Amino acid sequence: AQTVTQSQPEMSVQEAETVTLSCTYDTSENNYYLFWYKQPPSRQMILVIRQEAYKQQNATENRFSVNFQKAAKSFSLKISDSQLGDTAMYFCAFTATGANSKLTFGKGITLSVRP
Amino acid sequence: EPEVTQTPSHQVTQMGQEVILRCVPISNHLYFYWYRQILGQKVEFLVSFYNNEISEKSEIFDDQFSVERPDGSNFTLKIRSTKLEDSAMYFCASSEARQPQHFGDGTRLSIL
Repeated sequence: AQTVTQSQPEMSVQEAETVTLSCTYDTSENNYYLFWYKQPPSRQMILVIRQEAYKQQNATENRFSVNFQKAAKSFSLKISDSQLGDTAMYFCAFTATGANSKLTFGKGITLSVRP
Repeated sequence: EPEVTQTPSHQVTQMGQEVILRCVPISNHLYFYWYRQILGQKVEFLVSFYNNEISEKSEIFDDQFSVERPDGSNFTLKIRSTKLEDSAMYFCASSEARQPQHFGDGTRLSIL
């Protein structure tokens, strides 16, 4: 069974600064995907970024980038130039490639961006 | 950009009543999912659906739950006899291949 751990319940960052959100996971699978989803107060779930485990290059999406350390089973999200609209709950999620494609989520971290 | 749409946005139901949550996945997507999020907790997988049948379900998805794709566009989750602990946000998701999954805005289900 897969597990996803987000040990920081909440973080705060000053607008325009950089913040890193941590995530670790445990799996015996070799091929899988990792995701960060954002959930603003409106409660919708928005895909922020994804990483395929077979790719060594860290994924980047505008101000969002990841630090994927496969051996350490670590998948952190870096948000650069934080904006007020980044205030949200952030969930790290895992899925194995193959027949069963369910997402396993971490508990989430509440990020507050201060003006 | 195409979206997954869910209706209603909020459903209030008496305990013991049946409820149907509706989802319209993105039109060319083939894989469909339901997740739930109890207030303040993490998002949990309920069921996945492909090729007109359930491909996987969690232990939460017991006999009181069922899913259906009644036509070419809708994907529904039915809870037969609701309990207080069914109160949660229910998310529908769809994907063209298995990933990435695109989520709807959710239906907040409140059981009284």
